[in-house]
Amino acid sequence: LAKTTQPISMDSYEGQEVNITCSHNNIATNDYITWYQQFPSQGPRFIIQGYKTKVTNEVASLFIPADRKSSTLSLPRVSLSDTAVYYCLVGMNSGGYQKVTFGTGTKLQVIP
Amino acid sequence: DAGVTQSPTHLIKTRGQQVTLRCSPKSGHDTVSWYQQALGQGPQFIFQYYEEEERQRGNFPDRFSGHQFPNYSSELNVNALLLGDSALYLCASSTDRVLGYGYTFGSGTRLTVV
Repeated sequence: LAKTTQPISMDSYEGQEVNITCSHNNIATNDYITWYQQFPSQGPRFIIQGYKTKVTNEVASLFIPADRKSSTLSLPRVSLSDTAVYYCLVGMNSGGYQKVTFGTGTKLQVIP
Repeated sequence: DAGVTQSPTHLIKTRGQQVTLRCSPKSGHDTVSWYQQALGQGPQFIFQYYEEEERQRGNFPDRFSGHQFPNYSSELNVNALLLGDSALYLCASSTDRVLGYGYTFGSGTRLTVV
């Protein structure tokens, strides 16, 4: 399984764009990159998933360079409610199996 | 459309006892995975069930066992509880019919071992 490296914590002011970068140097050809958000005492919530280039949904954007060895989650105009832990995961379907391994995540603190 | 439902939400057990946690997956999902999350840590993969069989397992002792029923719901059993088993236990459901990752997590069961 590809190992991921993220900053342990980040602070941002309300209304700013936040970019969280994840390093995954040994990502495999079939691996997807997925980001989850987790609030205290709740289960992680799926944010966005991508394979290459750029993916955007109503919540965030995911930028993946051509070599796919890193990815950046972009949260536009964060609010206090975006304070949470953000996890970057890489993994694949292999023979129909799925493996999901979480790292320590990035604790984002949004400041008023 | 109901998401993943876990029960109970909180549980207190004594060291050495056994516990059973329950999970109902999201409608349309056939795969259930269980995770243990200690305070301040990321979720750690325990095992995954598909077609009523354990098909992947993380680095957890045999004290942790599970079951999946024909309706895709699942149970996690932990025997001979240790103080270190105190954690948030998360259930996640998914389906292989969707390529990549589409895990839906429940809110978890908070287990405290005293």
